[in-house]
Amino acid sequence: DAGVIQSPRHEVTEMGQEVTLRCKPISGHDYLFWYRQTMMRGLELLIYFNNNVPIDDSGMPEDRFSAKMPNASFSTLKIQPSEPRDSAVYFCASRLVGPGELFFGEGSRLTVL
Amino acid sequence: GENVEQHPSTLSVQEGDSAVIKCTYSDSASNYFPWYKQELGKRPQLIIDIRSNVGEKKDQRIAVTLNKTAKHFSLHITETQPEDSAVYFCATRGGGATNKLIFGTGTLLAVQP
Repeated sequence: DAGVIQSPRHEVTEMGQEVTLRCKPISGHDYLFWYRQTMMRGLELLIYFNNNVPIDDSGMPEDRFSAKMPNASFSTLKIQPSEPRDSAVYFCASRLVGPGELFFGEGSRLTVL
Repeated sequence: GENVEQHPSTLSVQEGDSAVIKCTYSDSASNYFPWYKQELGKRPQLIIDIRSNVGEKKDQRIAVTLNKTAKHFSLHITETQPEDSAVYFCATRGGGATNKLIFGTGTLLAVQP
């Protein structure tokens, strides 16, 4: 398997624009997580899915953020409208059921000007 | 909610010395404690983990110890090498039905040759 695949790797946009980040988890994994990484706040869990169903979105900063998982092989994280404080690296990660290893994608570095 | 504190935030050691990073957690029901290593510009990757029914685990030069009574766990790296330089994150998974991994704030380890 190619691992967790994220796109785009880098995104530069202007404040107010819509941003969509994409993730393809490892085939067969039951759980998908979206994390945001910044220097100030470290790795923050935004939301996670189990079998395509959102389980906990308590980490989503505000209504400007939304996430979907229409099928087992695809998830999106959308920010609308984007703001400069959303600038961060967004990681998608997946794993099997149980306390096993969490596999991260390479991340999407977002810069909002 | 679950809180994980990690210390120190930065650590500089001479090549060949040992390094110790400590984490404390708040949820006494936590049952899984992994450590991730993140090299500059890369994704976090699992290096070792421990479950709540084990007090210590070792894998070559790295080891993790867990004290459930005191709610803290530590990463030990012996005979450090320059390639050990990275950011290290501890994490916990709470008990019960939760499946989310909460990360500490990270420790930047610099191994001086």
